[in-house]
Amino acid sequence: NAGVMQNPRHLVRRRGQEARLRCSPMKGHSHVYWYRQLPEEGLKFMVYLQKENIIDESGMPKERFSAEFPKEGPSILRIQQVVRGDSAAYFCASSPNRLATDTQYFGPGTRLTVL
Amino acid sequence: GDSVTQMEGPVTLSEEAFLTINCTYTATGYPSLFWYVQYPGEGLQLLLKATKADDKGSNKGFEATYRKETTSFHLEKGSVQVSDSAVYFCALYSGAGSYQLTFGKGTKLSVIP
Repeated sequence: NAGVMQNPRHLVRRRGQEARLRCSPMKGHSHVYWYRQLPEEGLKFMVYLQKENIIDESGMPKERFSAEFPKEGPSILRIQQVVRGDSAAYFCASSPNRLATDTQYFGPGTRLTVL
Repeated sequence: GDSVTQMEGPVTLSEEAFLTINCTYTATGYPSLFWYVQYPGEGLQLLLKATKADDKGSNKGFEATYRKETTSFHLEKGSVQVSDSAVYFCALYSGAGSYQLTFGKGTKLSVIP
């Protein structure tokens, strides 16, 4: 059973460009969570999605950031007009049910560098 | 709101030394508690978890006991190895209408031969 997959693993963008990060959850998991890890910091929740629905986006910046989890295909985290402060590791996690005692399984992350 | 406080790192230990990484929390309700480990350049892996008071989570020689009275979930290992060098994150899920894990800042452990 393949784990959570994220691509690309490393992404370099210049200021003003767009960044698209992809996450394929574990097989059978329909709940996806995105977290951001700034240097020397813990992970901060960004958004929680189920198929075709955003359930909680309370951790998402109000501008430039968006997320989707379509009926078919991976979840996408999109950052428009990137700035240097967006440089971070972005982790996706999935779970089979809404997290209660269920474990969230994390992908290897995408490390975004904005030049 | 929910929060997790971990001891500041980095922590450097000699091989076979005893490890304790302190973790305390603030949460509404009765949270589930987790320890995750992040090896260099990799994502987070679940190390152990506990879902109710007095539960002990254990895995790979690591242990942590959910102490409701002290709101703590300290990670311990009796004899560390070089391969345990990593960053360790304490986290909670409060379940009080929340969908997210709340993480501590992480504690970097380096084990030297």
